[in-house]
Amino acid sequence: DVKVTQSSRYLVKRTGEKVFLECVQDMDHENMFWYRQDPGLGLRLIYFSYDVKMKEKGDIPEGYSVSREKKERFSLILESASTNQTSMYLCASRPRDSNQPQHFGDGTRLSIL
Amino acid sequence: DQQVKQNSPSLSVQEGRISILNCDYTNSMFDYFLWYKKYPAEGPTFLISISSIKDKNEDGRFTVFLNKSAKHLSLHIVPSQPGDSAVYFCAASARFMNRDDKIIFGKGTRLHILP
Repeated sequence: DVKVTQSSRYLVKRTGEKVFLECVQDMDHENMFWYRQDPGLGLRLIYFSYDVKMKEKGDIPEGYSVSREKKERFSLILESASTNQTSMYLCASRPRDSNQPQHFGDGTRLSIL
Repeated sequence: DQQVKQNSPSLSVQEGRISILNCDYTNSMFDYFLWYKKYPAEGPTFLISISSIKDKNEDGRFTVFLNKSAKHLSLHIVPSQPGDSAVYFCAASARFMNRDDKIIFGKGTRLHILP
């Protein structure tokens, strides 16, 4: 069974801090994704990666960056956290075969004070 | 502009009855459609998918119908059970142009199963 693990379920940070959200998958998937979920807005894609050291901007990349140094790990970085980045963050992975669905982690509820 | 639209933010259905969740899309290049279910404080879990070469796919109590000419798909749950209360996301992708492997999600429909 696919396991996508996000390092924290709940996180509280202060405005201006640099924040790291970590995601690890155990199924050797090539593709990994970061989304944020907000009420009434659904799931919005921030960044994704289809290989080690590769990254592509999603729909809302502003204020975020990512790192994919190893295949199993995809990190989301908030360079200087702001209150409008308070949200539920979801990581997902998927094999390169595009007939397969994405598998999601349980999410990180991030609050920026 | 939203490419995947779920126009009903919420839906209430009596236990044992059929739940029908609807989804419309605008991009005619989409050829793969998925439904995900999400409980609070958990990540979305994959429910069922359908390729554009089909018009129906069934898995137990869940059936997805695709009407390509209307750019519309629906998820039927029958019979509805209390554990089906969750937010359901419709999603779509264009596999043949999938270099970037993007899946586009709708905003979700919250389903309440009433006892």
